[in-house]
Amino acid sequence: DGGITQSPKYLFRKEGQNVTLSCEQNLNHDAMYWYRQDPGQGLRLIYYSQIVNDFQKGDIAEGYSVSREKKESFPLTVTSAQKNPTAFYLCASSSAFPGVGEKLFFGSGTQLSVL
Amino acid sequence: DQQVKQNSPSLSVQEGRISILNCDYTNSMFDYFLWYKKYPAEGPTFLISISSIKDKNEDGRFTVFLNKSAKHLSLHIVPSQPGDSAVYFCAASAGNNDMRFGAGTRLTVKP
Repeated sequence: DGGITQSPKYLFRKEGQNVTLSCEQNLNHDAMYWYRQDPGQGLRLIYYSQIVNDFQKGDIAEGYSVSREKKESFPLTVTSAQKNPTAFYLCASSSAFPGVGEKLFFGSGTQLSVL
Repeated sequence: DQQVKQNSPSLSVQEGRISILNCDYTNSMFDYFLWYKKYPAEGPTFLISISSIKDKNEDGRFTVFLNKSAKHLSLHIVPSQPGDSAVYFCAASAGNNDMRFGAGTRLTVKP
């Protein structure tokens, strides 16, 4: 089955610790995205990547880092510089840019909490 | 700066009746609008979309209406079914990779 796999489903971070959220897709999509969801708010874009070895900052990139070494994979690292990391993180992909008739396909999300 | 707003956090309707979910936007550059549906512990899934050249798009029980002058769109579900109970997100794009989402509306359809 084609789709997007995020792991782990739940993740706990200690103070000062970096943690990495995994996102893998087998849809052969070029574009991948990371969104953050906080209660009562819409999804906010953290980073996106249009092609391998290239990525761009979204609205709330501070305290996060990404890599895109393979087309299928777009891991997100939440660094210790992110002071309020508790949120639900969603990874998405699309075959082209949204807005030209393409839609995003989402993974099932990772809930990150601070210990 | 919330460019896409869903002012109703929740909506409850009876099975078989119409559900109307509303969405307002502020950016006049948005030209493509989508609705996503989200069940608990799952990622959002695409439901229906509309481009700015249309004012209505229908897919089975789901219809999206766009009023560009009012910067307003709505999703109609007729008839509503208990399986439609979920959180619905409105999204908008200006033709680039920056898709903006509303905060979502939780729909509950009662049997």
